[in-house]
Amino acid sequence: DQQVKQNSPSLSVQEGRISILNCDYTNSMFDYFLWYKKYPAEGPTFLISISSIKDKNEDGRFTVFLNKSAKHLSLHIVPSQPGDSAVYFCAASKTSYDKVIFGPGTSLSVIP
Amino acid sequence: GAGVSQSPSNKVTEKGKDVELRCDPISGHTALYWYRQRLGQGLEFLIYFQGNSAPDKSGLPSDRFSAERTGESVSTLTIQRTQQEDSAVYLCASSPKATQETQYFGPGTRLLVL
Repeated sequence: DQQVKQNSPSLSVQEGRISILNCDYTNSMFDYFLWYKKYPAEGPTFLISISSIKDKNEDGRFTVFLNKSAKHLSLHIVPSQPGDSAVYFCAASKTSYDKVIFGPGTSLSVIP
Repeated sequence: GAGVSQSPSNKVTEKGKDVELRCDPISGHTALYWYRQRLGQGLEFLIYFQGNSAPDKSGLPSDRFSAERTGESVSTLTIQRTQQEDSAVYLCASSPKATQETQYFGPGTRLLVL
């Protein structure tokens, strides 16, 4: 039973355009959400997070939107750059001291 | 070191052999996680240690898998009687006390079972 879903395994975007990566979750107890980025042969690195008390968090070119009623979050990257090409993982946790559950990832390719 | 380290970086073994993977977390991080990533798939949670609490082993796929952690330091993941489907990258991550902090990942151990 996959609690965190990323239904698009891959996404291709032109440089300079907006990249939108989507994530859905099934467990209404999740209250903290994170996005990680992973390059080949490296471990994932933290990108941005959002608490359930917010519906938006922005950090430079990266913005995460949370829709609790729909159990949906998205990561927007604008403008997209070739260096953004990587696998993006959505992750969620219920409470402090609880494990973090990752989605299967979306591979983003930004075409120059 | 400043980051999470894992050893070995690569391991090739024969089916049926036991393997032991090591993770050295960031000093002071009380939470430690093991994940598995099979080729073309996402991160699969295996086990989670938080301080002195009993570990959450709910992600271990079978009783051939076990993990230990010495206090708040090094952890080892042991796979007994390896099978070809165990081939994957095994990732370790650590985080400060509260799990809602970000996790810092190691580079992973790439395991190939022939």
